[in-house]
Amino acid sequence: DQQVKQNSPSLSVQEGRISILNCDYTNSMFDYFLWYKKYPAEGPTFLISISSIKDKNEDGRFTVFLNKSAKHLSLHIVPSQPGDSAVYFCAANVYTGNQFYFGTGTSLTVIP
Amino acid sequence: DADVTQTPRNRITKTGKRIMLECSQTKGHDRMYWYRQDPGLGLRLIYYSFDVKDINKGEISDGYSVSRQAQAKFSLSLESAIPNQTALYFCATSDSGQGMGRTYNEQFFGPGTRLTVL
Repeated sequence: DQQVKQNSPSLSVQEGRISILNCDYTNSMFDYFLWYKKYPAEGPTFLISISSIKDKNEDGRFTVFLNKSAKHLSLHIVPSQPGDSAVYFCAANVYTGNQFYFGTGTSLTVIP
Repeated sequence: DADVTQTPRNRITKTGKRIMLECSQTKGHDRMYWYRQDPGLGLRLIYYSFDVKDINKGEISDGYSVSRQAQAKFSLSLESAIPNQTALYFCATSDSGQGMGRTYNEQFFGPGTRLTVL
């Protein structure tokens, strides 16, 4: 059973606009969440993370929001750039635990 | 040079063959992981190791085995490959998160091995 879900397989956004990627999880024990970015023929690379004691974490153009009551997190990219075109995975784990659980990924295309 | 390397990058094999995928890292991390990626299923954990003497099964370990030959090396074996093991395989590393200023739980991934089992 998928504990981390990304229900949108793909997303297209105009350059300069906001990209919003969504992720839902089912395990209430998860307390640490990460976003990874993956280009073709490369491994995923870490983008941004958030612990459950926060509801927002910002790093430059990237902001992650966490809504614990809804078991939902989102990644906002503002402004979107063509180089942001990639597959984005969200991941979660229990901070004291061992396993990471990944979503199925959302393919973002930023149109110039 | 890449911090996490995987060999081979591509492999085509036949059903029933034994295959080994290798992973090496120069990051000095103690934790290593093997994942597979399938379309529509994301990344799923096969095995992980927190040090040389520690091996743990992940979500989908059936049909796979691993060996942690050294802190820097973690290999994945398919004892008798079958077509539904056709996938993209990733190795990843992380440190134990001790100390100030660390990004806890961040994993660093290799470039992947594309395995096709005919």
